[in-house]
Amino acid sequence: EVQLVESGGDLVQPGGSLRLSCAASGFTFGSFWMSWVRQAPGKGLEWVANINQDGSEKSYLDSVRGRFTISRDNAENSVYLQMNSLRVEDTAMYYCARDVFWGQGIMVTVSS
Amino acid sequence: DIQMTQSPSTLSASVGDRVTITCRASQSISNWLAWYQQKPGKAPKVLIYEASNLGTGVPSRFSGSGSGTEFTLTISSLQPDDFATYYCQEYSRFFGQGTKLEIK
Repeated sequence: EVQLVESGGDLVQPGGSLRLSCAASGFTFGSFWMSWVRQAPGKGLEWVANINQDGSEKSYLDSVRGRFTISRDNAENSVYLQMNSLRVEDTAMYYCARDVFWGQGIMVTVSS
Repeated sequence: DIQMTQSPSTLSASVGDRVTITCRASQSISNWLAWYQQKPGKAPKVLIYEASNLGTGVPSRFSGSGSGTEFTLTISSLQPDDFATYYCQEYSRFFGQGTKLEIK
């Protein structure tokens, strides 16, 4: 069974940093693209970033490019999202996803 | 970037109704489309993958069709548990704006 478990969410001040982690199990992690998706309170779903199997290809939402970095460790079956220069508008539930399989999400709140 | 346009944004219907939600892609995405159902406070749940394949454990009243740029999600006979918000997604990036299915 595919399982994705996010961690690392927190309340952080504007301009701060946070690193999200996603621990994967139940499949051959190194064979799949991985993604991060977010949902601001009361809003729709928004793709944030994705990374290919060996980490050599990465894509980002325009509004996070240059501030967020996606990475992965295939030995640890984990994918990460380093978020720097956080803004109030980055406040959202962040989900780790593989194809159509999603974790339960982790909340990130950016507020002073 | 590919734009996904979903309609309607809100749909009012009754138990037993047949409903259809449409998703249009700004360029061809072959059959690389998924449909999700989301209830308040919960993660999205996949209903349909690769445009027309039913997700595991999803009731057969849900069906998906289309390819290229035009896709539809159909619920053949609405049940009380189906009132939720529905999203389409081009694998594995851009989402439609969502359709909130409400009780009439």
